[in-house]
Amino acid sequence: AQSVAQPEDQVNVAEGNPLTVKCTYSVSGNPYLFWYVQYPNRGLQFLLKYITGDNLVKGSYGFEAEFNKSQTSFHLKKPSALVSDSALYFCAVRDAGNTPLVFGKGTRLSVIA
Amino acid sequence: DTAVSQTPKYLVTQMGNDKSIKCEQNLGHDTMYWYKQDSKKFLKIMFSYNNKELIINETVPNRFSPKSPDKAHLNLHINSLELGDSAVYFCASFAPGEKLFFGSGTQLSVL
Repeated sequence: AQSVAQPEDQVNVAEGNPLTVKCTYSVSGNPYLFWYVQYPNRGLQFLLKYITGDNLVKGSYGFEAEFNKSQTSFHLKKPSALVSDSALYFCAVRDAGNTPLVFGKGTRLSVIA
Repeated sequence: DTAVSQTPKYLVTQMGNDKSIKCEQNLGHDTMYWYKQDSKKFLKIMFSYNNKELIINETVPNRFSPKSPDKAHLNLHINSLELGDSAVYFCASFAPGEKLFFGSGTQLSVL
């Protein structure tokens, strides 16, 4: 069965600094990996995905994530954080079969001006 | 136009009541889901439907019954509501290309 771990409940970063939100996964076979963002009182929004190809994937709002197979990680990154990036971020994984996404518990990102 | 719309946005009710949450998507997708987000923001899948047929039922109590009258709608009916059912319920539609589109959620409070 697939699983996702987001080891940090909260990440604080100053505006303009780089940010990283960590994610590790466990899946049998090749992983399909995703990041979603949730703003207050809203549903989740797709940010980016990795299925195959380049290990570095770029997504919405200047975010990117790096797939590292040996470390089974898919950390979310942004070179320069904005206050408007403050939200709840979810990593998700599924295997290549017809299985639903499994989400991590979420990491709250606070960007301080 | 909202891609995935849920109603109501807020639902406050007494224990033991029966309630329904409606979900509609105008994206033409075949697959829809219900997710439950608890007070700690943990998101767990409940059901998956593909073209009106139940695909996944993730050990959800049988008090929860999804209904899909057509592939654009996936409603959730809950019987005999309990305190532990209080949560935010999200409907989602699955696009080719591996992208989920979520509704804005229904916050259910059982008193």
